[in-house]
Parts: sequence; C-alpha cells; structure tokens
Amino acid sequence: GENVEQHPSTLSVQEGDSAVIKCTYSDSASNYFPWYKQELGKRPQLIIDIRSNVGEKKDQRIAVTLNKTAKHFSLHITETQPEDSAVYFCAAHLDTDKLIFGTGTRLQVFP
Amino acid sequence: GAGVSQSPSNKVTEKGKDVELRCDPISGHTALYWYRQSLGQGLEFLIYFQGNSAPDKSGLPSDRFSAERTGGSVSTLTIQRTQQEDSAVYLCASSLAPGPGEQYFGPGTRLTVT
Repeated sequence: GENVEQHPSTLSVQEGDSAVIKCTYSDSASNYFPWYKQELGKRPQLIIDIRSNVGEKKDQRIAVTLNKTAKHFSLHITETQPEDSAVYFCAAHLDTDKLIFGTGTRLQVFP
Repeated sequence: GAGVSQSPSNKVTEKGKDVELRCDPISGHTALYWYRQSLGQGLEFLIYFQGNSAPDKSGLPSDRFSAERTGGSVSTLTIQRTQQEDSAVYLCASSLAPGPGEQYFGPGTRLTVT
C-alpha cells in the first residue's frame, strides 16, 4: 500500500552543524514531495518542495534531493540554528491527489 | 488575508457522544483536506474534497467518521459515538486546487475523549 518512511525519528545537532532527514516512498507514481515544518503547538508549514522532474532544489540553508529510481528523497539543513528546532515531515503526493506523510523527525539544535 | 481557521480549538467530550469539527478554508481554495495527528505521530490522511465532492474517503478510520462540505467552502467532520482512541488533533488544510501544491493548514482542533 501507500507508505512513506522517515528517518531518523529524532535528531540532535550542535548549532552550525548540518542535519539530514531521509524519506522513502512506495508508490512509483508519486510526483511531488513537500517538506513541512511544525513548531511546538503550531500548524505545519511548507518549507520546501520538489517535483519529480528535478533531482535537487535549494533555498538558502535548505535543500532537498530526490532519487526517483531508488524512491527516496532527503532534506538537508546547513548551518543549523536554534530556531530550526521543530518536527519536520516529509510527504509524497499520489496521483489520487492524496498526500501521504512520514511519521516526522524531531530536530533539536543545541546552542 | 485570512488563513484556514478551525473550531473549536479544543473539545473535551465523553465517550459515546457525537462531535462536530469545523473548518473554514482560505477563500477561493477549491480543495480541502482533513488529517488526524495523534500525540507524537505523523499526519494521517482522512478525506479530501474537491469542491463539495469527496473523491477519496479511504482514510476515514470507521463508519463513525463522516465529513461534508457545503457551498465549496466550510467543511464539518463528524465523529459519532466517540471512543478514547479518537483523541487526537484534527487538522484541516486547503489548497488552491487539487493536485501537487502547497497545502495551508489550520491550527487544528484538539479532541479529548474521556
């Protein structure tokens, strides 16, 4: 069935270090892969997304890479800051217009 | 402009009672989605609307759950005969159109079934 696996579930890094979160998906028809950030007690917000016709996309300190053959995609945050601390969710969009989310990664950035 | 709003923000109900959760999407957004987020878990897809129609109801956990959307705008999620395992945050999101693209989330309704 449709499934998105996300690792790790928790990630602790020192301020200034990089953080990488990885996701794999099962439906080869998936064509859109967003990443959402959810701060404590707040609603999820889109931070970056990638479509299946590109392999990498960057936005300042955030980048996402996609490997369609292997069916996995990753979020890279460089020069992490304490305000990056949050739960990050990856998702895969199916051709049925459903968005399937991963289980989330709790990122803690220590000053 | 106004974002997605949901009401109530918190709801405590006794097991066996029915509850109605409301979502007001961003004006002009034709697609509306309902998700459930249990403590420390990801977002579980429940149902989505294109206009007033629900092409995919496959995520509804049981026949106690139902949802409707009227006038292409407000949506209500109804849970009948609530159970303790229904306790979660119910999130609504809307997007300009169905298909790949940003979904804008509401603040959620925290449901506690005692």
